Amino acid sequence: NAGVTQTPKFQVLKTGQSMTLQCAQDMNHEYMSWYRQDPGMGLRLIHYSVGAGITDQGEVPNGYNVSRSTTEDFPLRLLSAAPSQTSVYFCASSPPLGWTQPYEQYFGPGTRLTVT
Amino acid sequence: GNSVTQMEGPVTLSEEAFLTINCTYTATGYPSLFWYVQYPGEGLQLLLKATKADDKGSNKGFEATYRKETTSFHLEKGSVQVSDSAVYFCALSDSGNTPLVFGKGTRLSVIA
Repeated sequence: NAGVTQTPKFQVLKTGQSMTLQCAQDMNHEYMSWYRQDPGMGLRLIHYSVGAGITDQGEVPNGYNVSRSTTEDFPLRLLSAAPSQTSVYFCASSPPLGWTQPYEQYFGPGTRLTVT
Repeated sequence: GNSVTQMEGPVTLSEEAFLTINCTYTATGYPSLFWYVQYPGEGLQLLLKATKADDKGSNKGFEATYRKETTSFHLEKGSVQVSDSAVYFCALSDSGNTPLVFGKGTRLSVIA
């Protein structure tokens, strides 16, 4: 299994540009989520999904959109990038309740985004 | 709401020193507790976990005990190595597949 994969690894955007951060997992996990990591702030939840067709907002959803059309993919869209969105973005997934490793989340390697 | 508070870093230790990173939590119900580790340039990976009171999670020489009476889950290691240099995150999850709530992370540097 490849686990959780994220593309791209690095990205530089200009203010106002849009882009999509890709996240995919091949473990048949129902739960997927996006976090951003900023110095001194830990990880903050942006959006999450408990299954295909279902998404919900986390702590810091403004400026980001998500959709979940398949179990495998959970892309994060920045509609109009702002310097405040400069951060490292992590995607994570976890198996449904009742699997052998309940609640554990598996993280991707991250995307480092800079908005100028 | 649920929250996690962990000691601020950075923590700098000499090789073979004893490590404690404090973590306390606030939660309704009976959360599961986790320690994640992030090595430089990488994503987070699970270090250990505990799903009920008095459980002890352990891995790679690290240990943490779920203390419901003190709402704590302190991370300990008896003898740290340079390779343990990383950022450590304490986290909790309420029942089911609810989002993880993370502490702000503690950076550990171990010098030879």
